[in-house]
Amino acid sequence: DVKVTQSSRYLVKRTGEKVFLECVQDMDHENMFWYRQDPGLGLRLIYFSYDVKMKEKGDIPEGYSVSREKKERFSLILESASTNQTSMYLCASSPRADTVGTDTQYFGPGTRLTVL
Amino acid sequence: QQPVQSPQAVILREGEDAVINCSSSKALYSVHWYRQKHGEAPVFLMILLKGGEQKGHDKISASFNEKKQQSSLYLTASQLSYSGTYFCGTVNRDDKIIFGKGTRLHILP
Repeated sequence: DVKVTQSSRYLVKRTGEKVFLECVQDMDHENMFWYRQDPGLGLRLIYFSYDVKMKEKGDIPEGYSVSREKKERFSLILESASTNQTSMYLCASSPRADTVGTDTQYFGPGTRLTVL
Repeated sequence: QQPVQSPQAVILREGEDAVINCSSSKALYSVHWYRQKHGEAPVFLMILLKGGEQKGHDKISASFNEKKQQSSLYLTASQLSYSGTYFCGTVNRDDKIIFGKGTRLHILP
């Protein structure tokens, strides 16, 4: 079974703090993704990575950065947390697909971040 | 462009049928369906790759109308375990999946 783990289920931080959210997958997947999930807005892509040291902006990258130094680990960084970044953060991974748009994403359990 | 899902929410009694629609303003290469139960991670249900393709397992199936740029998910004789939020994800030319806002499904006994 594919396993995607996230470092914390719940996290509370203060405005202005630097926040690290860690994601690890154990299936040697090439692709990794960070989403945020807010009520009524669905899953919105923040950043994704197709390979080690490679990153691409998603739909809402402002205020976030990422790091992928090892294939199995993808970190999301909030340089200076703000209250509007309070959300559920979901990490996902997928294998590289031979055909466009056919990769299945496997999600982690999520980290509920509250910024006070 | 985020695909549009309808309805936003639906309440059914056990045994009733439901249809969830997903439409895009752009040409689609594939459509993915995921279900997320409360407090859990989204889980992959199925992917449709070609226009006109239909897929299904158990009593959950889906169709993909490439021409109309839309997909529908069919839940037949719904069970309590079907409750959750259903997301469609669409893939177009730039090869990145974009998820809809989700449809909340609640099954009553």
